[in-house]
Amino acid sequence: TQLLEQSPQFLSIQEGENLTVYCNSSSVFSSLQWYRQEPGEGPVLLVTVVTGGEVKKLKRLTFQFGDARKDSSLHITAAQPGDTGLYLCAGVAGANSKLTFGKGITLSVRP
Amino acid sequence: ETGVTQTPRHLVMGMTNKKSLKCEQHLGHNAMYWYKQSAKKPLELMFVYSLEERVENNSVPSRFSPECPNSSHLFLHLHTLQPEDSALYLCASSQDGVARAGVGLFFGPGTRLTVL
Repeated sequence: TQLLEQSPQFLSIQEGENLTVYCNSSSVFSSLQWYRQEPGEGPVLLVTVVTGGEVKKLKRLTFQFGDARKDSSLHITAAQPGDTGLYLCAGVAGANSKLTFGKGITLSVRP
Repeated sequence: ETGVTQTPRHLVMGMTNKKSLKCEQHLGHNAMYWYKQSAKKPLELMFVYSLEERVENNSVPSRFSPECPNSSHLFLHLHTLQPEDSALYLCASSQDGVARAGVGLFFGPGTRLTVL
């Protein structure tokens, strides 16, 4: 079983602050995805990373896949209340493997 | 309707009831999934259907019974559930299996199930 550990579990910050959250594993993943889930809704795919060392930007969100493809980080610049939600990472370990989810990071951005 | 829709959004049922959850995807995808989301736990994959055939059944108790009549519709039939089955049940779809790099899941809003 490939476990994905996400940290921190909870984060409450003021609007305008920067933050970085993490998704770590001892397993190697062929691809890794980040989702955001808002209250009362299903998760929405933000990004997929597939190459070790890859960096992808989505407006104020920067995603990085570790060189060894075992971990990933999400950096948010100048957080806004609209960034509030549950951030889930999920990885695929290899061909014909299942998508494994972490427990998620609950982010609250105060106005 | 666009994306993935689920009905009902909320369901309260007794342990002896029989109910069904419905999911419909309007994305032209060929794979559909049921996930269970409980507090403080990772999303748990329950069932996968690819091209209308069940390709995965993750040791789910028989009181949960999936049905996929066509590539756009997925049902989860519930019978004699337990209080610990209370959770958010999410339906998702994708084009081909998620093992293919770059393939993401499109989720519905979920059904919040409470078993009394």
